[in-house]
Amino acid sequence: GAVVSQHPSWVICKSGTSVKIECRSLDFQATTMFWYRQFPKQSLMLMATSNEGSKATYEQGVEKDKFLINHASLTLSTLTVTSAHPEDSSFYICSASPLAGGLWETQYFGPGTRLLVL
Amino acid sequence: RKEVEQDPGPFNVPEGATVAFNCTYSNSASQSFFWYRQDCRKEPKLLMSVYSSGNEDGRFTAQLNRASQYISLLIRDSKLSDSATYLCVVRTRSNDYKLSFGAGTTVTVRA
Repeated sequence: GAVVSQHPSWVICKSGTSVKIECRSLDFQATTMFWYRQFPKQSLMLMATSNEGSKATYEQGVEKDKFLINHASLTLSTLTVTSAHPEDSSFYICSASPLAGGLWETQYFGPGTRLLVL
Repeated sequence: RKEVEQDPGPFNVPEGATVAFNCTYSNSASQSFFWYRQDCRKEPKLLMSVYSSGNEDGRFTAQLNRASQYISLLIRDSKLSDSATYLCVVRTRSNDYKLSFGAGTTVTVRA
């Protein structure tokens, strides 16, 4: 199946630091990528939809100035957590759909990034 | 009300047993349905799509009941490797690729 990579897989940082997470589709092009967050024993929550060449679309309650998303190419989207605080500690997962898309097209998930803010 | 609701379990079953569980969705306009599997501290991986007529993939059978707005997953002849959290996933609007996730049903298969 399609491969999506994420980097880094683990981040431990001090409060107030900005953290950048990269999401890459390795063997397909993706005009749309998605960023999710998952807290322990909870469901994945969509944070934002990242569109290549345009601004991201944020879900209600997600601060766009805190979670900066850049989708610079058809294979790369980045999420920057600005001025991270302990409550931002979570499992961040990206996903991507191949260019063709479709109602039944699945999303392929990256391996996730665990962020721990001290 | 949550968009997708699942019994969190856990379902503890012996090897070889059959286990089945459901998920309900709130939006009657939902159009496509999936079961994903998530292992501990890992990303979700697609297990199977769920079609209106129901579908089977090896030991896994998925059913969709639109009238009652629920999806089911049945696992036959459980293996130890089936131990995971199973996520019910629903696409609620066509052509926007957004997925809504349930919190997952945990299945533990014991030897």
